[in-house]
Amino acid sequence: DVVMTQTPPSLSVAIGQSVSISCKSSQSLVYSDGKTYLHWLLQSPGRSPKRLIYQVSNLGSGVPDRFSGTGSQKDFTLKISRVEAEDLGVYYCAQTTHFPYTFGAGTKLELK
Amino acid sequence: EVQLVESGGGLVQPGRSLKLSCLASGFTFSNYGMNWIRQAPGKGLEWVASISSSSSYIYYADTVKGRFTISRDNAKNTLYLQMTSLRSEDTALYYCARGGHWGQGVMVTVSS
Repeated sequence: DVVMTQTPPSLSVAIGQSVSISCKSSQSLVYSDGKTYLHWLLQSPGRSPKRLIYQVSNLGSGVPDRFSGTGSQKDFTLKISRVEAEDLGVYYCAQTTHFPYTFGAGTKLELK
Repeated sequence: EVQLVESGGGLVQPGRSLKLSCLASGFTFSNYGMNWIRQAPGKGLEWVASISSSSSYIYYADTVKGRFTISRDNAKNTLYLQMTSLRSEDTALYYCARGGHWGQGVMVTVSS
C-alpha cells in the first residue's frame, strides 16, 4: 500500500499568515496515463471533506486562488497564502493512483 | 448541482449486517466510478471500496474484503454498500464520494 506521510500534524497560524503542508508518498504517484492523482482535501469542523486541489495543482470548483499545490512523483506541497478564518480545519492529502487509495493522517490548522 | 445523499446507517450488533445506500443526482450517474470512504470517530479518512461506472471493476480495502460488497443500480442512480459480519472497528461515518463531491455521510455504530 502507498503510505502518505503528511507534515506537520498541526499548525497554529494567525489570520493573514501563509503556511505550507507537506505530503510525501512511499512510491511514485504517476499513473500509466502520465497523470499524477494526488489531491488535497479540507474538512472543516463538523463538515464533509471538500476537495481543494486535484491532480497536484488544479484548483477545485469555487476554491480561492489563495490555495496552491505543487510537487511531483513522491513529494507534494499545499500552500495557503493569507490564511482566513474559513480555512481552519483538517487538511488531508489523498492518492488515487494506486489501489488501495490512501490518505495522509491530516494536518490540523488552528488559529493562533 | 451534484448531490450525494447517504442513508441506511444506524446501531447494529456485532456480527450483524447493514446496507447503505447513496442516491446521486445532478450528474449522469452511469458515467462515473463511485467510492465509499469512512471516518471513525475522531480519526482520519479510510477508503473502503470503489466501483467503476458499469460495475466491471470493483476494489476493496483489505479491512473489509470478504465482508462488504459494493454495488450500484444505474437505473436508480444509487450506490450501495452491503456490510456483513460487522465489527466494532467498522463504527464510522460512511461517505459516498465521486471525484471532488462527497455526501454528508451516514453513521454506522457497531455495538452490543
